[in-house]
Amino acid sequence: DAGITQSPRHKVTETGTPVTLRCHQTENHRYMYWYRQDPGHGLRLIHYSYGVKDTDKGEVSDGYSVSRSKTEDFLLTLESATSSQTSVYFCAISASQGARVNTEAFFGQGTRLTVV
Amino acid sequence: AQSVTQLDSHVSVSEGTPVLLRCNYSSSYSPSLFWYVQHPNKGLQLLLKYTSAATLVKGINGFEAEFKKSETSFHLTKPSAHMSDAAEYFCVVSDRNNDMRFGAGTRLTVKP
Repeated sequence: DAGITQSPRHKVTETGTPVTLRCHQTENHRYMYWYRQDPGHGLRLIHYSYGVKDTDKGEVSDGYSVSRSKTEDFLLTLESATSSQTSVYFCAISASQGARVNTEAFFGQGTRLTVV
Repeated sequence: AQSVTQLDSHVSVSEGTPVLLRCNYSSSYSPSLFWYVQHPNKGLQLLLKYTSAATLVKGINGFEAEFKKSETSFHLTKPSAHMSDAAEYFCVVSDRNNDMRFGAGTRLTVKP
């Protein structure tokens, strides 16, 4: 299995509180991603990173921010959690094999976040 | 941005019969395409990938998919379903910047 660790694995938090999820990799891969998974929507991209301090928004980025100060760590922050952010969050990593050939992503085990 | 449409939210087959899970994509560039599988309460596992080499791609567990540019499709097939194939399947498209977008998923049920 690819070396990806998500923490925490489960979290219950109250509406309005800040929450930070951590993704740590030991593969030295360039790309890192945060997705959320909700029934009927598949996985939707929140933010991704293509290098240290280089990040970009995905399709559902509102209410989320990310940071990547080191190759191995990608943090996802909910500044003020809302019930609509109750979801399962997956981190993924991907290497780069040149400008036009994209490699597959490897996924962490997920973090189940409940906002009450 | 690129996108994926999985044409069936749920497919049900009998054990031993063929499986067809349909996927259409949209991309402004030459895409890479992937199929992932997710078993209940598990993470995601790569089944196969297309990255501009052979258009017929073979994956794990007897699955294969064919890239058809003219139809913008990347359907997943398996000749004979097994009970252990019951899971959720996701088609994924990626073009520039490794920005990977998922389809909504197809839940495969296999009846004995």
